[in-house]
Amino acid sequence: DAGVTQSPTHLIKTRGQQVTLRCSPKSGHDTVSWYQQALGQGPQFIFQYYEEEERQRGNFPDRFSGHQFPNYSSELNVNALLLGDSALYLCASSSLAGKQETQYFGPGTRLLVL
Amino acid sequence: GNSVTQMEGPVTLSEEAFLTINCTYTATGYPSLFWYVQYPGEGLQLLLKATKADDKGSNKGFEATYRKETTSFHLEKGSVQVSDSAVYFCALSDHNDYKLSFGAGTTVTVRA
Repeated sequence: DAGVTQSPTHLIKTRGQQVTLRCSPKSGHDTVSWYQQALGQGPQFIFQYYEEEERQRGNFPDRFSGHQFPNYSSELNVNALLLGDSALYLCASSSLAGKQETQYFGPGTRLLVL
Repeated sequence: GNSVTQMEGPVTLSEEAFLTINCTYTATGYPSLFWYVQYPGEGLQLLLKATKADDKGSNKGFEATYRKETTSFHLEKGSVQVSDSAVYFCALSDHNDYKLSFGAGTTVTVRA
């Protein structure tokens, strides 16, 4: 049973560029949540997708956007990158329809903005 | 809003010592509570969970009991190993929105 997968594992960008991160949820899961983890801190909730719609959002600017596809996979897009966007981006999956709230995390994408 | 406060680290222990990491929470309603572990350079792994008051979660020798009266979910292990060296995160999830709120994490180092 495949767990949550994310790509790429590492990424280096420069300020002002745009980036797209990808996530495939655990088999049987329909809900994808994205978190940002800055160095030495706990993960912060960015947003959550269910049924291809953004279900709820944390305190992040509109530069952060996402998408969920019919196969439940998801993308996180960040525009106009800032140095402060350097972090580990974590994707987690769960199942709202199956009332399985436990979230399982992928290995993360480490983004460095120069 | 929901929030989690956990014991600040770092914590350094000798092998076979007893480990406790304190975690308290603030939430509207009755959330589910989790402990996640993060090994160097990796994502988060679910360690254990409890979904209602007085539940005890356990895994790999770790335990935590959901205490509604003290709004706490302290993590304990009776005899730690070097392989337990990691960062431990306490988190809560509202039953309605499935959004996780995390503590700041506690770094644990176990020396042989």
